[in-house]
Amino acid sequence: QKEVEQNSGPLSVPEGAIASLNCTYSDRGSQSFFWYRQYSGKSPELIMSIYSNGDKEDGRFTAQLNKASQYVSLLIRDSQPSDSATYLCAVNVNSGNTPLVFGKGTRLSVIA
Amino acid sequence: NAGVTQTPKFQVLKTGQSMTLQCAQDMNHNSMYWYRQDPGMGLRLIYYSASEGTTDKGEVPNGYNVSRLNKREFSLRLESAAPSQTSVYFCASSDGQGYEKLFFGSGTQLSVL
Repeated sequence: QKEVEQNSGPLSVPEGAIASLNCTYSDRGSQSFFWYRQYSGKSPELIMSIYSNGDKEDGRFTAQLNKASQYVSLLIRDSQPSDSATYLCAVNVNSGNTPLVFGKGTRLSVIA
Repeated sequence: NAGVTQTPKFQVLKTGQSMTLQCAQDMNHNSMYWYRQDPGMGLRLIYYSASEGTTDKGEVPNGYNVSRLNKREFSLRLESAAPSQTSVYFCASSDGQGYEKLFFGSGTQLSVL
């Protein structure tokens, strides 16, 4: 079973701080990595994707990928209460021949 | 543009009853999926359809059947509901290029008593 691991949280950060969310995966052949945000009672929505080692920035969000260490992270700068949600890491295992595998999610709480 | 539409939004069943969850997408996507989400368990794949005419089991297929009716529609059937199937069910679709970038429906909250 290809695994994707995340700390369940909750991760609490003060408003304006940097939130750091981490994810590790077991399949070395994984090529594509995604972060989904899920507000309570809502469906997941894609916020970031990353395919190459290094950083990818989009507004206040930065995804970081290290394939050698098999981890991917999401940084949220200047965290806002509206960022409070569960963040799901998803990995395209088996070289993309099977659907995404999701981690269990990390619940983030941004305290005003 | 509606995206992915799921019905019903809420359903209560008694043990042993059957029901079908409906899903339709209007994005001309090739691939469609059914996930269930339980507290602390994340999203687990029940079945998926990589293209019209094909279906495959996911991580937790027992107790479920699916039908890919056409390119737009993918239904999930519970033949004899059990309390363990109490969950939130999400349908999703993608353009089929590597199963990436899923678009989710709004979910169905199912309770089996």
